[in-house]
Amino acid sequence: GESVGLHLPTLSVQEGDNSIINCAYSNSASDYFIWYKQESGKGPQFIIDIRSNMDKRQGQRVTVLLNKTVKHLSLQIAATQPGDSAVYFCAENSRGYSTLTFGKGTMLLVSP
Amino acid sequence: DTGVSQDPRHKITKRGQNVTFRCDPISEHNRLYWYRQTLGQGPEFLTYFQNEAQLEKSRLLSDRFSAERPKGSFSTLEIQRTEQGDSAMYLCASSRDSGNYEQYFGPGTRLTVT
Repeated sequence: GESVGLHLPTLSVQEGDNSIINCAYSNSASDYFIWYKQESGKGPQFIIDIRSNMDKRQGQRVTVLLNKTVKHLSLQIAATQPGDSAVYFCAENSRGYSTLTFGKGTMLLVSP
Repeated sequence: DTGVSQDPRHKITKRGQNVTFRCDPISEHNRLYWYRQTLGQGPEFLTYFQNEAQLEKSRLLSDRFSAERPKGSFSTLEIQRTEQGDSAMYLCASSRDSGNYEQYFGPGTRLTVT
């Protein structure tokens, strides 16, 4: 289930389950999106990206879905492992701008 | 390890002191970014360079903050007259030319102002 702690929504899953982390964005001009994973005490680590001309992109154990109509992005992690425990951020970028705008973040807790 | 390094990893300073952080980006990346992150929040953009040119600065970057990238390689971020509100993680990232290439982040410098 989901709970809120330390200002972050938290998703708790069992090892082996599939996880879905959601992100809403507000800028309709955003055309590039990235998911980052951040472990405690470390910088964000790139997971997967997607451009606005796509609605789905798959990587190794991860899938990103983009719904531009409702400005929603999701990250699906298959067969979640304890090493996936971290905070996950979505970030967006608009063509012509070089900066990323980050969402609030979701903490994923995977129990063995 | 993304290939972006930052130094120091941790810095504790007293209020009013000046501090300087260094970032070494991935060598073939000509864009370099500085972000600030506080507990429980996503990184917030501060400034970025394309080669040695500082092209954009956020409103978060007060006049006590200055960043340089003199030779288009490493960059420094200096905070003068530190305040307790400056306590945060300062992250550096680099990317290839164009805003739509993924940014690779360093491990960050954790600043604590006492």
